[in-house]
Formats: sequence, C-alpha cells, structure tokens
Amino acid sequence: SAVISQKPSRDICQRGTSLTIQCQVDSQVTMMFWYRQQPGQSLTLIATANQGSEATYESGFVIDKFPISRPNLTFSTLTVSNMSPEDSSIYLCSVEVWESAYNEQFFGPGTRLTVL
Amino acid sequence: SQQGEEDPQALSIQEGENATMNCSYKTSINNLQWYRQNSGRGLVHLILIRSNEREKHSGRLRVTLDTSKKSSSLLITASRAADTASYFCATDAGGTSYGKLTFGQGTILTVHP
Repeated sequence: SAVISQKPSRDICQRGTSLTIQCQVDSQVTMMFWYRQQPGQSLTLIATANQGSEATYESGFVIDKFPISRPNLTFSTLTVSNMSPEDSSIYLCSVEVWESAYNEQFFGPGTRLTVL
Repeated sequence: SQQGEEDPQALSIQEGENATMNCSYKTSINNLQWYRQNSGRGLVHLILIRSNEREKHSGRLRVTLDTSKKSSSLLITASRAADTASYFCATDAGGTSYGKLTFGQGTILTVHP
C-alpha cells in the first residue's frame, strides 16, 4: 500500500483567487492522479501526472484552470486557478501501487475546498 | 463520463445483517475496485478484482464480477455500525486508459446499532 498526505486538508477561499494543493507519497510512484468530488457526487478524474512529462487532462479540464506539477516521484501539486463557487469540491490525489501483480490505486485524505 | 451505476443509491440495515451493493458498467475492463468513503473524507481501498476473476474474499467482504453482464456486487456480511459509509465501485479499462478510474455514483450504507 501507500501512505498519502495532502495539504491543506480544507480551505475557504474567495472568488477569483487560486489555491495550490500538495500531495506527498511515502514511496516512489510512477503514476499520480488528481480527482474532483463535487458535493454529493462521485469522483471525476481531472488529470494524470507522470514525473518528467506534462500532465494529461481529461475532457472538461484544462491546464490553465488546473495547472499540475510533478517535480519528483513522491510529490505533486494541483492548483485551482481563478476560483468560483462552482469549484467548491473535495480534491483527491491518488497513486497506483503494484501489490503482488495487482495495480491497486490508493487515495489521499482529500482537500475540502469551499469558494465564497 | 461516468460509466458506473450503482444500486441501491441508499441502503439502511440493522447491525448483524448483510449488505449487498451492485455496480454496473458499460465498457470492457481490466479490473474493478471497491472503495469506502466516510463522511466525505478520503477513499479507503477495499478490494480489487481482475477481469479474469469471478469472486474474491477479504474478511467480511465478498466481491463478485460478471463480465458477461458487466456487473459486480459487494457483499458485507454481519454488518457493524462502523460500516456506515458511502461505497463506490471504480473500473479501470486498461489499454490507453490504464490507471484511470471511472467511478460509479456510490451507495450510501447506514447500519443501525
């Protein structure tokens, strides 16, 4: 398994500002993912972040709004830019770990963002 | 787009009873994973079942997979109040989508003491 931490755990932000969320893993991993969970909803993949390459974004998500960094194999950041109330969500990072030939995916505790 | 559908959307049972949640998906998969989420916190990985497996057990959890029907079920036996949470299935289609999970809408389970 993997131990994943995220900072901040929650934040309340003003419209038009930006917030950077950090994700730290206790072991080196190749693939990291960022998900969004809107209130009362399921999770939606924002992007895949691989070290040494540009993040790959899913349909409906763009780099200008959600820039991602992946400077090494244990760390990644997601920035939510020019925020609006619609960005209020839980943002979660995840990593893929191979356990006995199974590629299980583990999630961080999430960052609960409220935009006023 | 979300390809997973789960039913029921909400399930309320008494402690000691069994809880069964179902998940359907639309495309072929490499594996399917079940997660638990307590009160909007992070997801806890419960179990992974690969496309060539039909059943897996882990403690009080039993997962089945029917690829011909594109469906999976999660059974929690002898439920406890601490099992109260939201449960999600997530599929990994493999191939070019390898590692990218598509989540179902989730089942909210409430276990009454």
